[in-house]
Amino acid sequence: KQEVTQIPAALSVPEGENLVLNCSFTDSAIYNLQWFRQDPGKGLTSLLLIQSSQREQTSGRLNASLDKSSGRSTLYIAASQPGDSATYLCAVGGGSARQLTFGSGTQLTVLP
Amino acid sequence: ETGVTQTPRHLVMGMTNKKSLKCEQHLGHNAMYWYKQSAKKPLELMFVYNFKEQTENNSVPSRFSPECPNSSHLFLHLHTLQPEDSALYLCASSQRGIQTAGELFFGEGSRLTVL
Repeated sequence: KQEVTQIPAALSVPEGENLVLNCSFTDSAIYNLQWFRQDPGKGLTSLLLIQSSQREQTSGRLNASLDKSSGRSTLYIAASQPGDSATYLCAVGGGSARQLTFGSGTQLTVLP
Repeated sequence: ETGVTQTPRHLVMGMTNKKSLKCEQHLGHNAMYWYKQSAKKPLELMFVYNFKEQTENNSVPSRFSPECPNSSHLFLHLHTLQPEDSALYLCASSQRGIQTAGELFFGEGSRLTVL
């Protein structure tokens, strides 16, 4: 059974810092990995999707990497802003919807 | 705006009520999902529909009844719920491939409170 862990559970940084969020998974036989952002009381917004054949994806100040062999993904946020404050979740995709496993998320607070 | 719209955004109901949650996607996707998000717990998959056919029922109690009349609309009918069913219910859609669920797009969620 796939298990997805996100560490730390919460992170607080001053504005302008570059930061890294971590996601680890136990079964490396994955098809893709997706990073989401969730604001309080809202739905999930897709940030980046990495296919299993890819090593990284970039969108603006966000860069996500994937290392299947070690069961790890990182989300790098450059020059953080208070508007980046949210919970960030990673989800590891297998061959069916049942195999899409979510982590518990990292709650990020960027202080002005 | 993600292209997935959920109504109502907030719902309060008693344990004997019957209500429904609605989800509509404008993305041309072929799969739709219901997820439950409770406080301090990871998202839980409830149901999956692929081309209007239910392909996953993740051991959900029968007091939750899904309906998918077409590929763009998904309902979750609720009856005789329990207080522990209070949660954020999220709808998602994707374009499923042969091997993968595809990239998921979520609605804003329906916050349900059962009294």
